[in-house]
Amino acid sequence: SQTIHQWPATLVQPVGSPLSLECTVEGTSNPNLYWYRQAAGRGLQLLFYSVGIGQISSEVPQNLSASRPQDRQFILSSKKLLLSDSGFYLCAWSRGANYGYTFGSGTRLTVV
Amino acid sequence: AQSVTQPDIHITVSEGASLELRCNYSYGATPYLFWYVQSPGQGLQLLLKYFSGDTLVQGIKGFEAEFKRSQSSFNLRKPSVHWSDAAEYFCAGMEYGNKLVFGAGTILRVKS
Repeated sequence: SQTIHQWPATLVQPVGSPLSLECTVEGTSNPNLYWYRQAAGRGLQLLFYSVGIGQISSEVPQNLSASRPQDRQFILSSKKLLLSDSGFYLCAWSRGANYGYTFGSGTRLTVV
Repeated sequence: AQSVTQPDIHITVSEGASLELRCNYSYGATPYLFWYVQSPGQGLQLLLKYFSGDTLVQGIKGFEAEFKRSQSSFNLRKPSVHWSDAAEYFCAGMEYGNKLVFGAGTILRVKS
Protein backbone atom coordinates (compact mmCIF):
# COMPACT_ATOMS: atom_id res chain seq x y z
CA SER A 1 0.00 0.00 0.00
CA GLN A 2 1.04 3.59 -0.51
CA THR A 3 2.18 5.76 2.36
CA ILE A 4 3.36 9.34 2.59
CA HIS A 5 5.84 10.55 5.17
CA GLN A 6 6.43 14.13 6.15
CA TRP A 7 8.91 15.48 8.67
CA PRO A 8 9.54 17.06 10.99
CA ALA A 9 6.13 17.27 12.65
CA THR A 10 6.90 20.58 14.34
CA LEU A 11 9.63 23.14 13.83
CA VAL A 12 10.47 26.45 15.45
CA GLN A 13 12.94 28.54 13.50
CA PRO A 14 14.28 32.09 13.90
CA VAL A 15 13.67 34.72 11.25
CA GLY A 16 16.37 34.64 8.61
CA SER A 17 17.26 30.97 9.13
CA PRO A 18 17.03 28.38 6.33
CA LEU A 19 14.30 25.78 6.00
CA SER A 20 14.10 22.28 4.63
CA LEU A 21 10.96 20.17 4.90
CA GLU A 22 10.95 16.72 3.40
CA CYS A 23 8.19 14.55 2.02
CA THR A 24 8.53 11.02 0.68
CA VAL A 25 6.04 8.62 -0.81
CA GLU A 26 6.30 4.85 -0.69
CA GLY A 27 4.55 2.16 -2.64
CA THR A 28 3.99 4.00 -5.91
CA SER A 29 6.00 5.39 -8.77
CA ASN A 30 5.82 8.67 -10.68
CA PRO A 31 3.32 10.31 -8.34
CA ASN A 32 2.16 13.88 -8.70
CA LEU A 33 3.41 15.71 -5.63
CA TYR A 34 2.11 18.86 -3.96
CA TRP A 35 2.99 21.29 -1.18
CA TYR A 36 0.19 23.19 0.52
CA ARG A 37 0.30 25.77 3.28
CA GLN A 38 -2.47 26.24 5.77
CA ALA A 39 -2.35 29.57 7.58
CA ALA A 40 -4.66 30.15 10.53
CA GLY A 41 -8.20 30.77 9.30
CA ARG A 42 -7.18 30.85 5.65
CA GLY A 43 -7.78 27.37 4.31
CA LEU A 44 -5.23 25.57 2.17
CA GLN A 45 -3.12 27.31 -0.42
CA LEU A 46 -1.29 25.35 -3.11
CA LEU A 47 2.37 26.38 -3.14
CA PHE A 48 4.07 23.97 -5.54
CA TYR A 49 3.34 20.88 -7.54
CA SER A 50 5.47 18.44 -9.47
CA VAL A 51 4.61 15.88 -12.11
CA GLY A 52 8.11 14.41 -12.35
CA ILE A 53 11.74 14.57 -11.25
CA GLY A 54 13.09 18.08 -11.56
CA GLN A 55 9.72 19.46 -12.70
CA ILE A 56 8.39 22.09 -10.34
CA SER A 57 5.52 24.50 -10.84
CA SER A 58 5.01 27.40 -8.48
CA GLU A 59 1.53 28.65 -7.81
CA VAL A 60 2.24 31.80 -5.84
CA PRO A 61 5.24 34.14 -5.62
CA GLN A 62 6.87 33.70 -2.27
CA ASN A 63 9.94 33.21 -0.19
CA LEU A 64 9.92 29.44 -0.63
CA SER A 65 11.18 27.00 -3.25
CA ALA A 66 10.64 23.33 -3.95
CA SER A 67 12.73 20.56 -5.45
CA ARG A 68 12.16 16.97 -6.51
CA PRO A 69 15.54 15.27 -6.60
CA GLN A 70 14.08 11.76 -6.73
CA ASP A 71 10.82 10.32 -8.02
CA ARG A 72 9.23 9.99 -4.61
CA GLN A 73 10.91 12.82 -2.74
CA PHE A 74 9.66 16.38 -2.55
CA ILE A 75 11.47 19.07 -0.59
CA LEU A 76 10.28 22.51 0.47
CA SER A 77 13.04 25.03 1.19
CA SER A 78 13.80 28.58 2.06
CA LYS A 79 17.11 30.40 2.29
CA LYS A 80 15.83 32.98 4.81
CA LEU A 81 12.59 32.51 6.67
CA LEU A 82 10.14 35.34 7.27
CA LEU A 83 7.61 35.63 10.06
CA SER A 84 4.88 35.27 7.44
CA ASP A 85 6.18 31.81 6.54
CA SER A 86 4.67 30.42 9.73
CA GLY A 87 1.90 27.93 9.14
CA PHE A 88 1.00 24.31 8.73
CA TYR A 89 2.63 22.73 5.68
CA LEU A 90 1.08 19.71 4.06
CA CYS A 91 2.53 17.45 1.42
CA ALA A 92 0.24 15.39 -0.79
CA TRP A 93 0.50 12.90 -3.62
CA SER A 94 -1.84 11.79 -6.36
CA ARG A 95 -1.92 9.23 -9.15
CA GLY A 96 -4.17 11.45 -11.20
CA ALA A 97 -7.44 13.34 -11.12
CA ASN A 98 -9.63 10.27 -10.60
CA TYR A 99 -7.89 9.40 -7.37
CA GLY A 100 -7.89 12.61 -5.38
CA TYR A 101 -5.00 13.43 -3.12
CA THR A 102 -3.51 11.65 -0.14
CA PHE A 103 -2.03 13.97 2.45
CA GLY A 104 0.83 13.62 4.87
CA SER A 105 0.42 14.45 8.54
CA GLY A 106 1.82 17.96 8.16
CA THR A 107 4.58 20.12 9.62
CA ARG A 108 3.76 22.94 11.99
CA LEU A 109 6.32 25.70 11.31
CA THR A 110 6.63 28.63 13.67
CA VAL A 111 9.01 31.40 12.71
CA VAL A 112 10.04 33.51 15.69
CA ALA B 1 -11.44 31.27 -12.18
CA GLN B 2 -12.04 27.99 -10.49
CA SER B 3 -13.19 28.38 -6.92
CA VAL B 4 -14.81 26.54 -4.07
CA THR B 5 -16.80 28.37 -1.43
CA GLN B 6 -17.76 27.20 2.03
CA PRO B 7 -20.06 29.90 3.38
CA ASP B 8 -20.05 28.73 7.00
CA ILE B 9 -16.85 29.26 8.99
CA HIS B 10 -18.21 27.63 12.14
CA ILE B 11 -21.16 25.33 12.76
CA THR B 12 -22.32 23.94 16.11
CA VAL B 13 -24.69 21.01 16.34
CA SER B 14 -25.89 18.84 19.19
CA GLU B 15 -24.75 15.27 19.37
CA GLY B 16 -27.27 13.06 17.61
CA ALA B 17 -28.60 15.89 15.46
CA SER B 18 -28.33 15.94 11.70
CA LEU B 19 -25.60 17.87 9.92
CA GLU B 20 -25.29 19.64 6.61
CA LEU B 21 -22.15 21.51 5.57
CA ARG B 22 -22.46 23.71 2.53
CA CYS B 23 -20.15 23.87 -0.45
CA ASN B 24 -20.54 25.79 -3.70
CA TYR B 25 -18.24 25.61 -6.68
CA SER B 26 -17.53 27.81 -9.64
CA TYR B 27 -16.20 25.88 -12.62
CA GLY B 28 -16.81 25.90 -16.33
CA ALA B 29 -17.48 22.18 -16.54
CA THR B 30 -18.47 19.63 -13.95
CA PRO B 31 -15.43 19.32 -11.71
CA TYR B 32 -14.25 16.47 -9.61
CA LEU B 33 -15.42 17.28 -6.08
CA PHE B 34 -14.14 16.09 -2.73
CA TRP B 35 -14.75 16.44 0.97
CA TYR B 36 -11.87 16.13 3.44
CA VAL B 37 -11.80 16.17 7.23
CA GLN B 38 -8.96 17.46 9.38
CA SER B 39 -8.59 16.84 13.10
CA PRO B 40 -6.51 19.41 15.01
CA GLY B 41 -2.83 19.24 14.13
CA GLN B 42 -3.36 16.43 11.66
CA GLY B 43 -3.32 15.96 7.93
CA LEU B 44 -6.43 15.71 5.78
CA GLN B 45 -8.45 12.54 5.37
CA LEU B 46 -10.64 11.96 2.34
CA LEU B 47 -14.30 11.45 3.25
CA LEU B 48 -15.78 11.05 -0.22
CA LYS B 49 -15.47 12.10 -3.83
CA TYR B 50 -17.68 12.75 -6.84
CA PHE B 51 -16.60 12.31 -10.43
CA SER B 52 -19.73 11.49 -12.40
CA GLY B 53 -22.82 9.29 -12.33
CA ASP B 54 -25.00 9.02 -9.26
CA THR B 55 -25.24 12.45 -7.70
CA LEU B 56 -25.52 11.09 -4.16
CA VAL B 57 -22.20 9.70 -3.00
CA GLN B 58 -21.52 7.76 0.15
CA GLY B 59 -18.34 8.18 2.12
CA ILE B 60 -16.63 6.94 5.22
CA LYS B 61 -17.81 7.53 8.78
CA GLY B 62 -21.47 7.71 7.73
CA PHE B 63 -21.11 10.84 5.61
CA GLU B 64 -22.76 11.45 2.26
CA ALA B 65 -22.82 14.33 -0.20
CA GLU B 66 -25.12 15.32 -3.01
CA PHE B 67 -24.00 16.98 -6.22
CA LYS B 68 -26.56 19.48 -7.51
CA ARG B 69 -25.57 20.98 -10.83
CA SER B 70 -28.46 23.47 -10.86
CA GLN B 71 -27.25 24.93 -7.57
CA SER B 72 -23.52 24.42 -8.16
CA SER B 73 -23.45 22.74 -4.78
CA PHE B 74 -21.91 19.69 -3.17
CA ASN B 75 -23.19 19.70 0.41
CA LEU B 76 -21.98 17.20 2.98
CA ARG B 77 -24.53 15.52 5.25
CA LYS B 78 -24.68 13.14 8.15
CA PRO B 79 -27.97 12.02 9.74
CA SER B 80 -26.67 11.77 13.30
CA VAL B 81 -23.52 13.52 14.49
CA HIS B 82 -21.17 11.98 17.03
CA TRP B 83 -18.85 13.93 19.31
CA SER B 84 -15.89 12.45 17.43
CA ASP B 85 -17.04 14.25 14.27
CA ALA B 86 -15.84 17.57 15.70
CA ALA B 87 -13.15 18.71 13.26
CA GLU B 88 -12.59 21.02 10.32
CA TYR B 89 -14.13 20.04 7.01
CA PHE B 90 -12.86 21.09 3.62
CA CYS B 91 -14.61 20.95 0.30
CA ALA B 92 -12.34 20.82 -2.73
CA GLY B 93 -12.65 20.78 -6.49
CA MET B 94 -10.41 19.81 -9.38
CA GLU B 95 -10.92 20.73 -13.01
CA TYR B 96 -7.74 21.12 -14.97
CA GLY B 97 -4.18 20.05 -14.43
CA ASN B 98 -4.74 17.85 -11.42
CA LYS B 99 -4.68 20.79 -9.04
CA LEU B 100 -7.01 20.62 -6.10
CA VAL B 101 -8.60 23.90 -5.02
CA PHE B 102 -9.90 24.05 -1.47
CA GLY B 103 -12.62 26.00 0.23
CA ALA B 104 -11.76 27.94 3.37
CA GLY B 105 -13.07 25.18 5.60
CA THR B 106 -15.90 24.81 8.12
CA ILE B 107 -15.16 24.11 11.77
CA LEU B 108 -17.70 21.75 13.27
CA ARG B 109 -18.34 21.82 17.00
CA VAL B 110 -20.50 19.15 18.61
CA LYS B 111 -22.44 19.92 21.81
CA SER B 112 -23.14 17.08 24.20
